[in-house]
Amino acid sequence: KAGVTQTPRYLIKTRGQQVTLSCSPISGHRSVSWYQQTPGQGLQFLFEYFSETQRNKGNFPGRFSGRQFSNSRSEMNVSTLELGDSALYLCASSLEGLGTGNLHEQYFGPGTRLTVT
Amino acid sequence: QKEVEQNSGPLSVPEGAIASLNCTYSDRGSQSFFWYRQYSGKSPELIMFIYSNGDKEDGRFTAQLNKASQYVSLLIRDSQPSDSATYLCAVKTSYDKVIFGPGTSLSVIP
Repeated sequence: KAGVTQTPRYLIKTRGQQVTLSCSPISGHRSVSWYQQTPGQGLQFLFEYFSETQRNKGNFPGRFSGRQFSNSRSEMNVSTLELGDSALYLCASSLEGLGTGNLHEQYFGPGTRLTVT
Repeated sequence: QKEVEQNSGPLSVPEGAIASLNCTYSDRGSQSFFWYRQYSGKSPELIMFIYSNGDKEDGRFTAQLNKASQYVSLLIRDSQPSDSATYLCAVKTSYDKVIFGPGTSLSVIP
């Protein structure tokens, strides 16, 4: 079974631009969560999508948004990029949503390394 | 107080020894606990999850959970150099978020 895929793997953007990252979950998984990982802050939860609905959101500004499609693929968008947005963005998929049952072991994709200059 | 804390590293153990990694959490209603291994430059890889008090063993790995003490640990027996990585403790909280600890760097010395 194929794992979680993320595209692109690397991205360089300029301050003020916007960016869209894509995540395809493991086949059959309906939940996709997004995380930001930086050396200083570690792994921080951005949001979770389950069945095309945002189920939960972390403490990030409104510049960070996402969506999920009917095939469970998810996109994350960051508008008006800032230098501090440089990070590894990881998505993780799980069979069920974080709010349902116990089947929420998450499996991570390889990540998208975003550099903002 | 941070929501999920881990013992500060780096932790160095000789090859063949037992590595003990600890994690405490603040949300008493948390129900699910995970250990991830992350090699440098790679994404986290799920190695263990535990939901019930007690021990759960999988090969050389044992996860231990004590909800009363809000404590979860990971033991790695017969540590190998390939176990050298950062280990992340993650907790699914009662408010449906997965919170990660800062990680403990483990170095297994041949």
